[in-house]
Amino acid sequence: AQSVTQLDSQVPVFEEAPVELRCNYSSSVSVYLFWYVQYPNQGLQLLLKYLSGSTLVKGINGFEAEFNKSQTSFHLRKPSVHISDTAEYFCAVTRRNSGNTPLVFGKGTRLSVIA
Amino acid sequence: DAMVIQNPRYQVTQFGKPVTLSCSQTLNHNVMYWYQQKSSQAPKLLFHYYDKDFNNEADTPDNFQSRRPNTSFCFLDIRSPGLGDAAMYLCATSRDERAGGQIRNEQFFGPGTRLTVL
Repeated sequence: AQSVTQLDSQVPVFEEAPVELRCNYSSSVSVYLFWYVQYPNQGLQLLLKYLSGSTLVKGINGFEAEFNKSQTSFHLRKPSVHISDTAEYFCAVTRRNSGNTPLVFGKGTRLSVIA
Repeated sequence: DAMVIQNPRYQVTQFGKPVTLSCSQTLNHNVMYWYQQKSSQAPKLLFHYYDKDFNNEADTPDNFQSRRPNTSFCFLDIRSPGLGDAAMYLCATSRDERAGGQIRNEQFFGPGTRLTVL
């Protein structure tokens, strides 16, 4: 079985500062990795995903993440945050090559951008 | 635009009164999921349909049922809602397709239905 740990439940950061949201996973098999963002009272929107290939993945809204197999991590980064980035961020994992294996989510990290 | 639609966005029901939440999709995806998300928690998978095959999670209460009459629609039925069932309910879809020998499992989420139980 897979599991995901998001190390920080809340991350406050000033506007235009860089941010890193941490995610570690556990799995005995190869996985796909995802970051989703959730704005208040809305569904989840995919930010980026790692399926294969380059370990540095670029997503929407200026976010990027790096897959580190040896450290079983998939941390999310943005060099300069905006007020509009205030939201809940979820890291998720699913088994590779298993089409209907559901996502396993972390508990989420609430990013608060301060003006 | 292709999308996942959930109706209603907000639903209020009384303790013990059955309620049905609706999800439709224009993506023509063959897999549909229902998640429950309580306040400040991660989404928790209740069940999913792979085509017509229903897959229930082991810890999903019997109070929760689902129907998928066709590819586009999926319903979540809560037979006797309790106060603890108040939550956001998220529908998601994915396509089981092979690309370059890999199966991709990107899920597309609807906006959710927030259920209040009085």
